[in-house]
Amino acid sequence: EDQVTQSPEALRLQEGESSSLNCSYTVSGLRGLFWYRQDPGKGPEFLFTLYSAGEEKEKERLKATLTKKESFLHITAPKPEDSATYLCAVQAYRGTASKLTFGTGTRLQVTL
Amino acid sequence: DAGITQSPRYKITETGRQVTLMCHQTWSHSYMFWYRQDLGHGLRLIYYSAAADITDKGEVPDGYVVSRSKTENFPLTLESATRSQTSVYFCASSNRDNTEAFFGQGTRLTVV
Repeated sequence: EDQVTQSPEALRLQEGESSSLNCSYTVSGLRGLFWYRQDPGKGPEFLFTLYSAGEEKEKERLKATLTKKESFLHITAPKPEDSATYLCAVQAYRGTASKLTFGTGTRLQVTL
Repeated sequence: DAGITQSPRYKITETGRQVTLMCHQTWSHSYMFWYRQDLGHGLRLIYYSAAADITDKGEVPDGYVVSRSKTENFPLTLESATRSQTSVYFCASSNRDNTEAFFGQGTRLTVV
């Protein structure tokens, strides 16, 4: 069974204080690892897809990296508008199935 | 409007009633998904569809029915609502099997 564990559950940072969110996964045959951002009362918003170990992707203050067992979302010099819940999900090879297994998220709060 | 829309945004229903949640996307994406989001469980897949008239069960399908007669619509029906189905429901769509999914704004359903 595919499993995704995100840590920490919650993180409070001051503006400009860089940190990393962790996503550990267990999956038989990783097809892709996805990062989403979710604001309160809204649907998840896509950030990144990583397909193989060693891959990295960046978008503004966010950088996602992938190893064979985990992914990190690095946040450099965060701003209050980066406050959100960050979700990680994995997709495995299951024939024609297209299913994502999500973690429970890291709730990030960035204060002035 | 372009994108993916869900209706209603909020719904209160009584135990035992049938309720249908609507999902409409304007991108002509092949894949559509229904997830539920509950505290402590993250997003869990209920049903998905790879194309019109093709649907399959996800992780938590019991008590739900879906149909997809047109590519753009993917309604989710609770045949006889139970309190355990109180949740936030998200519809999503994607263009291909292993690419990012785009989520709707969600429907908050309360079963009393």
